[in-house]
Order: sequence, then structure tokens, then C-alpha cells
Amino acid sequence: EAQVTQNPRYLITVTGKKLTVTCSQNMNHEYMSWYRQDPGLGLRQIYYSMNVEVTDKGDVPEGYKVSRKEKRNFPLILESPSPNQTSLYFCASSLSKGNEQYFGPGTRLTVT
Amino acid sequence: QKEVEQNSGPLSVPEGAIASLNCTYSDRGSQSFFWYRQYSGKSPELIMFIYSNGDKEDGRFTAQLNKASQYVSLLIRDSQPSDSATYLCAVLSGGYNKLIFGAGTRLAVHP
Repeated sequence: EAQVTQNPRYLITVTGKKLTVTCSQNMNHEYMSWYRQDPGLGLRQIYYSMNVEVTDKGDVPEGYKVSRKEKRNFPLILESPSPNQTSLYFCASSLSKGNEQYFGPGTRLTVT
Repeated sequence: QKEVEQNSGPLSVPEGAIASLNCTYSDRGSQSFFWYRQYSGKSPELIMFIYSNGDKEDGRFTAQLNKASQYVSLLIRDSQPSDSATYLCAVLSGGYNKLIFGAGTRLAVHP
């Protein structure tokens, strides 16, 4: 089944404790992206990747890191999480930058 | 001015009626436009995409695009309670590197 998977689905952590949210797609897509979704603000792009080893900042990259060492994986790293990073996070992928994006199931992160 | 604007709603329509959802965008260079549906607590799923001026129909859904007015809309005919969700308008930026989402319109279809 073609899909985007994210882990974990739910995470409660404390300020400053490094964490990684994994994202994997099995559709051989070139383009991958991370979004955060907050009430009233919609989906905002954090980082995106056009292909392996090619990443760039989206609209709200502060406090986040990404890497794209393999085509299928695009992990999101929070080196020192803060409460303002409490949000619902979605990973998405598409064949190329202009195509339909397929979303993962989401990761609900709470930072206390 | 936000890059992609939508009325937050809720838009309440009776079952069987036509629901009309609207979206305006600021980047005149935008070429691709998408409508996603998102149920509460779930991930967005694509309903329609449109690239050219005019209408595009798919079943009960019609997307309308007017580039001169920088306006895109989604019509849902014969609305059903199962259509109750938040509808997200997304616009591919003129630089084509990112998809910019509106905050979404919540639709409620009541029996």
C-alpha cells in the first residue's frame, strides 16, 4: 500500500530534550516536506526537500532540523524543544514539487 | 495580507444543498491550485486540483479558477453530512518550491 508513515503518532516531552520524528514514504517520491498545524494558522511549512541531500527552509524553520540521506526518509529533529513547538506535525511527499502531496497521519507533540 | 485567505466559517448548509467555499491568493505567479479535505484529527486528503481558468468537475465537486481575480472556489453539490470537515485551499507558489495553505473553512452539513 502506497503511504507516508510517521512515528511516533503522539509524544509528550519536556523542554530541552532532543527528539526526532521519523517520516518514511514508499512511493519513490522526490519531494518531501514537513508542516506544522496550529489552530487558526493552518498548515505552515517547516522544511522541504527536493531530493536526496537537497533541503531548504520553509516558512517556520527556527528550532528544527532535517536531513535527507535516503530518498524514502525525511526525519524532523528538534534539538532543544520548547513549549511553542507544541503542535500537530505532518510529513508529506509528492512525485515532484508541483504535484499532489500525500500526507502522513500526523504526530501530535506536546512540550511541557 | 495573508498569501492564501479563506473564511474560517463555520459554513452551515442543509443536506442536499450546494456548499460554496472560496479562497483568494496574493501571488499572481501561482500556477497550481489544490483543495484538500481534513476531518478532525486526521491528515489532509486531496479532493481536486486545477491549473487552468474555468471550471473542473469531478463527481459532486467543481473547482473554479479565476486567475485575473486571484480567486479559486470549490462547489459541493448535494452536500452530505459526511462532507462535514475543514476544507483547505492550497496554492503552489510562483517559485514552485512550496505549497502555501489557507487556514481552512469548516463546513457543517446538517440533516
